[in-house]
Amino acid sequence: ETGVTQTPRHLVMGMTNKKSLKCEQHLGHNAMYWYKQSAKKPLELMFVYSLEERVENNSVPSRFSPECPNSSHLFLHLHTLQPEDSALYLCASSQDGRPATGNTQYFGPGTRLTVL
Amino acid sequence: AQSVTQLDSQVPVFEEAPVELRCNYSSSVSVYLFWYVQYPNQGLQLLLKYLSGSTLVKGINGFEAEFNKSQTSFHLRKPSVHISDTAEYFCAALGGATNKLIFGTGTLLAVQP
Repeated sequence: ETGVTQTPRHLVMGMTNKKSLKCEQHLGHNAMYWYKQSAKKPLELMFVYSLEERVENNSVPSRFSPECPNSSHLFLHLHTLQPEDSALYLCASSQDGRPATGNTQYFGPGTRLTVL
Repeated sequence: AQSVTQLDSQVPVFEEAPVELRCNYSSSVSVYLFWYVQYPNQGLQLLLKYLSGSTLVKGINGFEAEFNKSQTSFHLRKPSVHISDTAEYFCAALGGATNKLIFGTGTLLAVQP
C-alpha cells in the first residue's frame, strides 16, 4: 500500500483540452513532487513543494501549472499540451524538503497521459 | 554536472541465478543513494537506501547494495532471482538544494525460467 494515490490512472486528451492530475498523500509528509517519466529518458523533476510553497520549478513550460492547496494534496493542471508531453506523470512525497536529512521519497502509481 | 549512470539498459538472467545491477554516480551529487523498482504499470517502490553508516545496505525482497566511495558506485545485488523480480530498477542520488532526486536511466531486469 503506497500511501500516495494518483487520479486518474490513465488520461487521453486533445491538444486543446484542459485537464488536471490529482495526487494525495496519506503519510503526513510536508513535501510533494511532480516527476515526468518518458520512454528511454531519466525521470525528470518538474516541481517541488515544501509546506505548500513551491521551492523548485525545473524549467517546466507554462502549459503545466501546479497547485498545492495543502500538504496532503497536489494538482497538475494541463492546458494546450503537445504530443511530446505524453508520458507517465509521477507524484511523490517526503517528510520534508530538506536534502540534508536524506528524506526518502515515496511515489504514487502515476498517471499515464496520452496527448493526441 | 550531477549525474547517475546505469550502464546496462537490460540485464537478462535465468531464474535462481545471481544478479548485479550497476550504478555509478558523479562525485558532485550527495552520498544519499537509493534504489527503486518499478513493476509494469506501477509507480516506483523504494528497495533500499544508503544515508550513512555501514556500506552494505540490505533492502526488501532479498536485495542488497554496497556503497563504494572510491569507485563512486552503488551496485545492487541479489544472490538468487525469481521470475517476480522482472521489473525496471532505478538508481538515484540526492542532489541540489531542494531534495532533488537525480535518476539513472534504469535497468530492465528480465528473469527467464
